[in-house]
Amino acid sequence: DAGVIQSPRHEVTEMGQEVTLRCKPISGHNSLFWYRQTMMRGLELLIYFNNNVPIDDSGMPEDRFSAKMPNASFSTLKIQPSEPRDSAVYFCASSAQEAYTEAFFGQGTRLTVV
Amino acid sequence: KQEVTQIPAALSVPEGENLVLNCSFTDSAIYNLQWFRQDPGKGLTSLLLIQSSQREQTSGRLNASLDKSSGRSTLYIAASQPGDSATYLCAPRGNMLTFGGGTRLMVKP
Repeated sequence: DAGVIQSPRHEVTEMGQEVTLRCKPISGHNSLFWYRQTMMRGLELLIYFNNNVPIDDSGMPEDRFSAKMPNASFSTLKIQPSEPRDSAVYFCASSAQEAYTEAFFGQGTRLTVV
Repeated sequence: KQEVTQIPAALSVPEGENLVLNCSFTDSAIYNLQWFRQDPGKGLTSLLLIQSSQREQTSGRLNASLDKSSGRSTLYIAASQPGDSATYLCAPRGNMLTFGGGTRLMVKP
């Protein structure tokens, strides 16, 4: 398996533009996590899906952020409109449905909003 | 809400030393705990997964212990090497996977 795949790897956008980050979890995995990492705040959990259903989105910073998982093999994280303070590395991770299984991370998307 | 603390925040040692990295968490209702390694500018690589029913897990020079009732885990690195230089993160898994701030390790040749 190719692991968790995220795209794009790097994104530079202007303030006010819409940004969409994409994630393909490992085949057969039913749990998917989106994280944001910054120097100041470390790794923050944004949203957690189980069987394509959002279970906990309490970490989503504000209404400008939205996440979807239309099927078991694809998820998106959208920021609209983007702001400079959204600049960070965004990670996606997946694990099998059983909570005692190992979680695997993608390589991340480095987002820069200018 | 799970709170995870890692001590020390940073560590610099000469090559060959044995190391202990500490992780504490507030909610002991966990299924497992994972230790990850992150190199600068890279993603997270899973090092060890220790189940809540286990006390220890070993992989090569790495040994992780878990005391769920007291909310503590340690990662022991034997005979450290410069290639071990990275940030090490622990993540207890309850309903979600929550991370500590990490320990930034530098092993000097």
